[in-house]
Amino acid sequence: GQQVQQSPSSLVLQEGENAELQCNFSSTATQLQWFYQSPGGSLVSLLSNPSGTKHTGRLTSTTVTKERRSSLHISSSQTTDSGTYLCAIDRGSALGRLHFGAGTQLIVIP
Amino acid sequence: NAGVIQTPRHKVTGKGQEATLWCEPISGHSAVFWYRQTIVQGLEFLTYFRNQAPIDDSGMPKERFSAQMPNQSHSTLKIQSTQPQDSAVYLCASSLWGGAYEQYFGPGTRLTVL
Repeated sequence: GQQVQQSPSSLVLQEGENAELQCNFSSTATQLQWFYQSPGGSLVSLLSNPSGTKHTGRLTSTTVTKERRSSLHISSSQTTDSGTYLCAIDRGSALGRLHFGAGTQLIVIP
Repeated sequence: NAGVIQTPRHKVTGKGQEATLWCEPISGHSAVFWYRQTIVQGLEFLTYFRNQAPIDDSGMPKERFSAQMPNQSHSTLKIQSTQPQDSAVYLCASSLWGGAYEQYFGPGTRLTVL
């Protein structure tokens, strides 16, 4: 079954609006990463946040490990934020392989 | 820091030919991962090396796919007798040690099998 579920699957925003992306996972996680992927591009690591709250620039991630969920908040969205946001966990395994969600496609219109 | 380097960026092969993909991890990173990305399947784990030793190859197709890490500075993924269903973007990632460490991805190799 789906180990990592992301919602919404797509999101359209007006430039300047905030975005809230969700990631729910069905097993324990000692590592959780949020990635950004532009169309045809590679994965860029945004945040590593297995627990608690982390900020970087306009991004804030909050992970509640006991509830097996994480969120990524993007404030004051810009057109250059458009792309796919992926959540990945390691399922608590020391092996380190990441299990990815299907992603949230974000479109920011001017 | 050049990041993870992958070559070639694009590769086109005919059905039945061999394809070899190269990955150079970030200097100092001990763990190297290979993943595959397709529209239908999304991102799938293939295999993982730590300190050049194979740790987990549970995602590798049993036939035709093999991976090696002959030294700290590069890993190869070889696909023999390529098939159209092998068409995908193959991504390499490295991390300091593996386990709970953050993974950094290369630009990927887009393999197209005609």
